[in-house]
Amino acid sequence: GQQLNQSPQSMFIQEGEDVSMNCTSSSIFNTWLWYKQEPGEGPVLLIALYKAGELTSNGRLTAQFGITRKDSFLNISASIPSDVGIYFCAGQLPFTYMNRDDKIIFGKGTRLHILP
Amino acid sequence: EAQVTQNPRYLITVTGKKLTVTCSQNMNHEYMSWYRQDPGLGLRQIYYSMNVEVTDKGDVPEGYKVSRKEKRNFPLILESPSPNQTSLYFCASSLGIDSYNEQFFGPGTRLTVL
Repeated sequence: GQQLNQSPQSMFIQEGEDVSMNCTSSSIFNTWLWYKQEPGEGPVLLIALYKAGELTSNGRLTAQFGITRKDSFLNISASIPSDVGIYFCAGQLPFTYMNRDDKIIFGKGTRLHILP
Repeated sequence: EAQVTQNPRYLITVTGKKLTVTCSQNMNHEYMSWYRQDPGLGLRQIYYSMNVEVTDKGDVPEGYKVSRKEKRNFPLILESPSPNQTSLYFCASSLGIDSYNEQFFGPGTRLTVL
């Protein structure tokens, strides 16, 4: 089945540093989504991207939908302690009644640790 | 408050004892889904439902059943749980399946099967 390769698996950074993570796939997606999961909670949507090339910001977060529609990245600028958590990318394949490939596929997550 | 709720939040059970994890959403969403989260494997979809009485298998459906008799509820049933079903389970819902809708996740149910 389709897979998303998310990297890095984990990051240890100093407070104030910028963070960059990305997801790639061999499949083309219609939508790219970035979620954050904090301990004891479900993932929460951070940014949604709907068009190839789209660059979207949400505060200190910036994400881009790759031109090839097979990749996306998420940047966090000037990290702070509350940025700690697991970040998931997710891609939604085009839905067709022929192949029913309409599921959202998740990456395995990037665990962000921030050192004081 | 718009939300997805799951019950129970924590459950410890024994092999073979049937259990049900409930999921309910109050947003009139058509699409609902169950995922399991395991270390190093991320989120994997178990089953999903595009509307009432319409359910379909996800990537890891073995050992699970679901039903969608009402729009708001999507229970996950483990008829005969086994230790390899020990995991963190998330229910999610979205308005629809097309590209312009995002999923909202419940708080999770941590299941341990002894």
